[in-house]
Amino acid sequence: QTVVTQEPSLTVSPGGTVTLTCASSTGAVTSDYYPNWFQQKPGQAPRALIYSTTSKHSWTPARFSGSLLGGKAALTLSGAQPEDEAEYYCLLFYGGAWVFGGGTRLTVL
Amino acid sequence: QVQLQESGPGLVEPSQTLSLTCTVSGGSITSGADFWSWIRQPAGKGLEWIGRIYTSGTTNYNPSLKNRVTISVDTSKNQFSLKLRSVTAADTAVYYCAREFSYWGQGTLVTVSS
Repeated sequence: QTVVTQEPSLTVSPGGTVTLTCASSTGAVTSDYYPNWFQQKPGQAPRALIYSTTSKHSWTPARFSGSLLGGKAALTLSGAQPEDEAEYYCLLFYGGAWVFGGGTRLTVL
Repeated sequence: QVQLQESGPGLVEPSQTLSLTCTVSGGSITSGADFWSWIRQPAGKGLEWIGRIYTSGTTNYNPSLKNRVTISVDTSKNQFSLKLRSVTAADTAVYYCAREFSYWGQGTLVTVSS
């Protein structure tokens, strides 16, 4: 069974930079996995931030960016704002099936 | 702008079939998107991809749910649907529909209980 792993929790200072990662149990994550990233706040539906590794939606704040880093998919937040405190999920494609990571709880403190 | 709305029973008895519909507004279900997805989230837990359907009717399912899931599309009603058979308490979750993974419905809570 394929497992997608994220950091359970991270903390960033207001105005700081943090990188969340997304690893696959099958090996290195590449663009062929079409990494997606989502932000979810309590009581709300997930909001899409990044698709196809690096592409942003029209509503994605410029401070969020996606990349591949050390064999993992990565989401970097540069200039964290208090409203960025949320759960973040990655999603990877495995030839017909998609698998979510377990989520990273990001605290801005 | 595309909007999605899930609908269906909020309570399903064990061993029965969970049936949900996603109604798409603000655009045709046959244009502007490759596929439409269902995702669920148990309370306090992470997201789980259930499956997707292309507007052509082709489907892909989560291997762990494949034997119990059917996703279908009704283009005349601008809707797509989820059926999950033989449900148990473990299927209790908020169920979301999504256009690809860009636009999401608000989610609907389905509880499996007698």
